[in-house]
Amino acid sequence: AAGVIQSPRHLIKEKRETATLKCYPISRHDTVYWYQQGPGQDPQFLISFYEKMQSDKGSIPDRFSAQQFSDYHSELNMSSLELGDSALYFCASSLVGRGGLNTEAFFGQGTRLTVV
Amino acid sequence: AQKVTQAQTEISVVEKEDVTLDCVYETRDTTYYLFWYKQPPSGELVFLIRRNSFDEQNEISGRYSWNFQKSTSSFNFTITASQVVDSAVYFCALSGVNRDDKIIFGKGTRLHILP
Repeated sequence: AAGVIQSPRHLIKEKRETATLKCYPISRHDTVYWYQQGPGQDPQFLISFYEKMQSDKGSIPDRFSAQQFSDYHSELNMSSLELGDSALYFCASSLVGRGGLNTEAFFGQGTRLTVV
Repeated sequence: AQKVTQAQTEISVVEKEDVTLDCVYETRDTTYYLFWYKQPPSGELVFLIRRNSFDEQNEISGRYSWNFQKSTSSFNFTITASQVVDSAVYFCALSGVNRDDKIIFGKGTRLHILP
């Protein structure tokens, strides 16, 4: 079965430009999470969506926005890019069971964003 | 608040030695999940294990084993007969079990297996 797909795998942008990262969850998964991992750091939670609605929000800059579409894929939009935005961006998906409990979250391979 | 502590920032061992990566967690939840992920130099996060807080049985998978001690809030990971391919950053992580719960990662332990 296909896992979580992220595109692009690598992205190079200049300061002040805009970037869009895409995440395609595992089939039938209804929850998507975005994480940012800076160099030498642990992954930090940015935002999550459940059934196309924002579910939780972490330390996500105001310059970033995200949404989940009707086909459950999600996009992370990043504007006015700064050098400090250079990081690995992970998407994960999970399925919320009938009891509201999460199954395990599966991570995509990540998008490596470099801002120059 | 939830917190995961991996006190070992970096470990180096010679190939074929056993190595244990420590993980201590804090949570107010009575039910929670604990995870270990491997991040090789290529960058992807490789899922290794998820443990439900109800299940305190130790688990073994090949050369990997996990020791969950609820009394000490620890979830340690042991690699037996280490190999060079085990060189990676290993993250311990914690989450609640509810819909809105996210995974919280420790700072990671960088493991070097020397040939």
